[in-house]
Amino acid sequence: DAKTTQPPSMDCAEGRAANLPCNHSTISGNEYVYWYRQIHSQGPQYIIHGLKNNETNEMASLIITEDRKSSTLILPHATLRDTAVYYCIVRVYNQGGKLIFGQGTELSVKP
Amino acid sequence: DARVTQTPRHKVTEMGQEVTMRCQPILGHNTVFWYRQTMMQGLELLAYFRNRAPLDDSGMPKDRFSAEMPDATLATLKIQPSEPRDSAVYFCASAQGSTDTQYFGPGTRLTVL
Repeated sequence: DAKTTQPPSMDCAEGRAANLPCNHSTISGNEYVYWYRQIHSQGPQYIIHGLKNNETNEMASLIITEDRKSSTLILPHATLRDTAVYYCIVRVYNQGGKLIFGQGTELSVKP
Repeated sequence: DARVTQTPRHKVTEMGQEVTMRCQPILGHNTVFWYRQTMMQGLELLAYFRNRAPLDDSGMPKDRFSAEMPDATLATLKIQPSEPRDSAVYFCASAQGSTDTQYFGPGTRLTVL
């Protein structure tokens, strides 16, 4: 079973920041937080991952709370193409094993 | 731009028929995953291989599903006989070693009538 809880849906205005929350209160010390997204009818796409420090790449930023029980994915300037289902996943790093997907958050970016 | 490819993209078949789905991982990737996505169950792992050896197929119905890697550039998922409940989108993903960035293919949409 997925170890994360996400809101089922969110809206965001185009050009604004999209902040997607994720709760993972049972996360273990050696588990990382991963984010993937799935644009309609396509395969899931990796976005970012982190352990306890905030992370940023060309796609997004990941903010993890100090107690690591929750995190937020930030898309700084959402576009219509960011409309997708976003999945938050916790797992041990570098074990190369399966991803356990929950239900995710369906983000709708509106003009 | 390296990508995972899957064939066919769409398949409609009748109950009882054999279905074979193919996946070509990204060149140099040695870990291949098969996932299935349905509205009811979401995305779930069926099986995965590393260096062509099966590591975990616990998510796969053993009586009708089989997964193989005949060589490093081809992974196959076979259903025989197919049933309407097998209707889903089947995704293949590949990764390099134990790193966790899995790259997904476009999927095969299977409809069993």
